[in-house]
Amino acid sequence: QKEVEQDPGPLSVPEGAIVSLNCTYSNSAFQYFMWYRQYSRKGPELLMYTYSSGNKEDGRFTAQVDKSSKYISLFIRDSQPSDSATYLCAMSMDSSYKLIFGSGTRLLVRP
Amino acid sequence: DTGVSQDPRHKITKRGQNVTFRCDPISEHNRLYWYRQTLGQGPEFLTYFQNEAQLEKSRLLSDRFSAERPKGSFSTLEIQRTEQGDSAMYLCASEETGANEQFFGPGTRLTVL
Repeated sequence: QKEVEQDPGPLSVPEGAIVSLNCTYSNSAFQYFMWYRQYSRKGPELLMYTYSSGNKEDGRFTAQVDKSSKYISLFIRDSQPSDSATYLCAMSMDSSYKLIFGSGTRLLVRP
Repeated sequence: DTGVSQDPRHKITKRGQNVTFRCDPISEHNRLYWYRQTLGQGPEFLTYFQNEAQLEKSRLLSDRFSAERPKGSFSTLEIQRTEQGDSAMYLCASEETGANEQFFGPGTRLTVL
């Protein structure tokens, strides 16, 4: 069993929809939680970073962490075709330390 | 500053050959990480540096792999006697210690024939 599980998708939604992306994890030592976006043949780009439990909002993006359930989510409001990419969750046990990634969810936003 | 750069972007080699990749981090970032990503998977940690010191190596990093960061600036990753299973995207990331924001380069795509 992988430390971080993520549904690979693909997830196809119409433009303007609210998108929900999720990851579960098994290691309770994870303290830092990130979401990265990766376009095809490019390096990952950091979208959101959250420490411990709670919510964080940045524009159209909201990240949620529920440590009691070992579950994290990323919500995208008013999705755009330019949001079409692979979304990777990542976690770390310590500050400025190696990241453990999920396998990524491929998102397609249809115009 | 234009971000993390990696060279080459693509490398095709024959099995058994040695290859070396270079990563130039964002200036003033003292942490540098190497990851490997295969198709349909997330990046997997290989190793990381604090300045010139290599602090941790993954079990994925066999004896054929070696990484250096000689002056605490750029880093190289060498793979000796390449195997077809080494075919992957090799990603470099840099970070200012304590910032919890790893910035990734575009990656080097390695194909071993």
